[in-house]
Amino acid sequence: LAKTTQPISMDSYEGQEVNITCSHNNIATNDYITWYQQFPSQGPRFIIQGYKTKVTNEVASLFIPADRKSSTLSLPRVSLSDTAVYYCLVGDGGQNFVFGPGTRLSVLP
Amino acid sequence: ETGVTQSPTHLIKTRGQQVTLRCSSQSGHNTVSWYQQALGQGPQFIFQYYREEENGRGNFPPRFSGLQFPNYSSELNVNALELDDSALYLCASSLGQVSNTEAFFGQGTRLTVV
Repeated sequence: LAKTTQPISMDSYEGQEVNITCSHNNIATNDYITWYQQFPSQGPRFIIQGYKTKVTNEVASLFIPADRKSSTLSLPRVSLSDTAVYYCLVGDGGQNFVFGPGTRLSVLP
Repeated sequence: ETGVTQSPTHLIKTRGQQVTLRCSSQSGHNTVSWYQQALGQGPQFIFQYYREEENGRGNFPPRFSGLQFPNYSSELNVNALELDDSALYLCASSLGQVSNTEAFFGQGTRLTVV
């Protein structure tokens, strides 16, 4: 069962780049790494997914080293609206995600 | 807007009662997963349905059951409600296995058991 470890909380200021690192030592060969964002009383929202190296989309980048035992979500130039909980997930080799407690990001003015 | 609709949005039930929660998945998605999210915690996987068959289950007792219909909408049923069942219940739809593809979550149903 692939579990993840993330910082419980992080603070940042508007306009800064935020990097959230996740450890997943038991990731399986076929597992992808996926990040979700969740605002209070809403369902999680997909941010980005990757398997290895680097993936970039319009909102974030995902860096995955060769051993895939960790990954880093990078949010460029955060704004107040990026204040949310961010979850790092890996497939457990079966059909479901294992959500940890996530990282609570607070963006300050 | 994800296209995943859950009903009702809020619900209050008494301990021992039964409840049915509903989820309409995004058009074209054949897989639905259900999650329970207690306050301040991450979502916990309950089970997943693929083409009307349950094909994965988390660590939840049998009183949590579900269905997926031919149009891929889904129901979550919980019998003999307990106070600890109070939570936000989320459904997620996807095309194929959730762990390797983008899943779209609904807004959730807030269940309060008193």
